[in-house]
Amino acid sequence: AQSVTQLGSHVSVSEGALVLLRCNYSSSVPPYLFWYVQYPNQGLQLLLKYTSAATLVKGINGFEAEFKKSETSFHLTKPSAHMSDAAEYFCAVSGISASKIIFGSGTRLSIRP
Amino acid sequence: DVKVTQSSRYLVKRTGEKVFLECVQDMDHENMFWYRQDPGLGLRLIYFSYDVKMKEKGDIPEGYSVSREKKERFSLILESASTNQTSMYLCASSLRLAEETQYFGPGTRLLVL
Repeated sequence: AQSVTQLGSHVSVSEGALVLLRCNYSSSVPPYLFWYVQYPNQGLQLLLKYTSAATLVKGINGFEAEFKKSETSFHLTKPSAHMSDAAEYFCAVSGISASKIIFGSGTRLSIRP
Repeated sequence: DVKVTQSSRYLVKRTGEKVFLECVQDMDHENMFWYRQDPGLGLRLIYFSYDVKMKEKGDIPEGYSVSREKKERFSLILESASTNQTSMYLCASSLRLAEETQYFGPGTRLLVL
């Protein structure tokens, strides 16, 4: 069985500050992990994914995430927030030969000028 | 670029009506998915299909059915709409397995009165 927990339904940071969105997962098989972003009035798009290669994964728009097996975490970071990063972010987990992925409840990121 | 289109961005229906939501993808993907998105609950899988005329229930299939007569088209049917089905509905497709990137449509916001 797999599950994912996103800590914090809403995160607010100042423009230029570090962005940290937290995700913890549970999986009985080696996981595949994803971060998706949803801009207002749009569908989701993939930011990055971990598929058992490098533990530090770089994505689009300057985001990256680190897979930490010992902590069962896959937190998303960006060194310097931009106003255009305001969106909802979803962490998701899947597994080898799984037929579906499990999404977290989402974290809304707000950027203060 | 993969393109997933949904037949409507906004729909208003009355309780008891039969509602059809259609989704089309243009990249010859095997898998297609229907999710509903509600605040604080993230994305919940309603149904998915891994081949033409094949379907599997997701986590919340009650009150819904699906149809996949052609590879590129996946329809979600609300047999008798109810107010608790007011939600955002998202369609997605992926090439094959769950660990591959899912591509999402823009969503249909359904209001049932």
